[in-house]
Amino acid sequence: GAGVSQSPSNKVTEKGKDVELRCDPISGHTALYWYRQSLGQGLEFLIYFQGNSAPDKSGLPSDRFSAERTGGSVSTLTIQRTQQEDSAVYLCASSAGPTGELFFGEGSRLTVL
Amino acid sequence: QKEVEQNSGPLSVPEGAIASLNCTYSDRGSQSFFWYRQYSGKSPELIMFIYSNGDKEDGRFTAQLNKASQYVSLLIRDSQPSDSATYLCAVNRYNNDMRFGAGTRLTVKP
Repeated sequence: GAGVSQSPSNKVTEKGKDVELRCDPISGHTALYWYRQSLGQGLEFLIYFQGNSAPDKSGLPSDRFSAERTGGSVSTLTIQRTQQEDSAVYLCASSAGPTGELFFGEGSRLTVL
Repeated sequence: QKEVEQNSGPLSVPEGAIASLNCTYSDRGSQSFFWYRQYSGKSPELIMFIYSNGDKEDGRFTAQLNKASQYVSLLIRDSQPSDSATYLCAVNRYNNDMRFGAGTRLTVKP
């Protein structure tokens, strides 16, 4: 597809379960970002991948959160032992380079019961 | 100190007025600056970007940058009800490391 694709669009899970969220960026984009947005709040930075460099993980809120990016393309954000406070929309974005414009996916809405 | 700070609002202006949105950032080495618009329940979309000190105009939108004061603003002229949204300021610190402010919610009343 032409845009950033995220799946699932909605995920309801029970507290304590693990979840995986997937992001397929725009082809050729070297930068990939994960943000979290709670209801009525701004974008909270989670993690950033740039090419083959080590990812910037400084925004991950706890060691229950991890992310990887395979082959410089698809990324998976994993949340282990989910908690109710993890409920939010998780947004993925990619960027081609110098202009820095981010193209966002539609997000994955996570609800932890 | 947060990396990017915005007044959360809400900001309410009448139709046809000028809406002024402000943003400050902490990293003096930041390279480029962006304004995104986010409608309720939707993902952010880019409105404008600015790299150099001064003003940049695009239709009804003007972005202003003052690197010495670490300040970015967005002016919306002739505001329309369709401009009602949350406006997010984003700062590209280096190497495409992009951080966002919390956003300012704008309401334009007919």
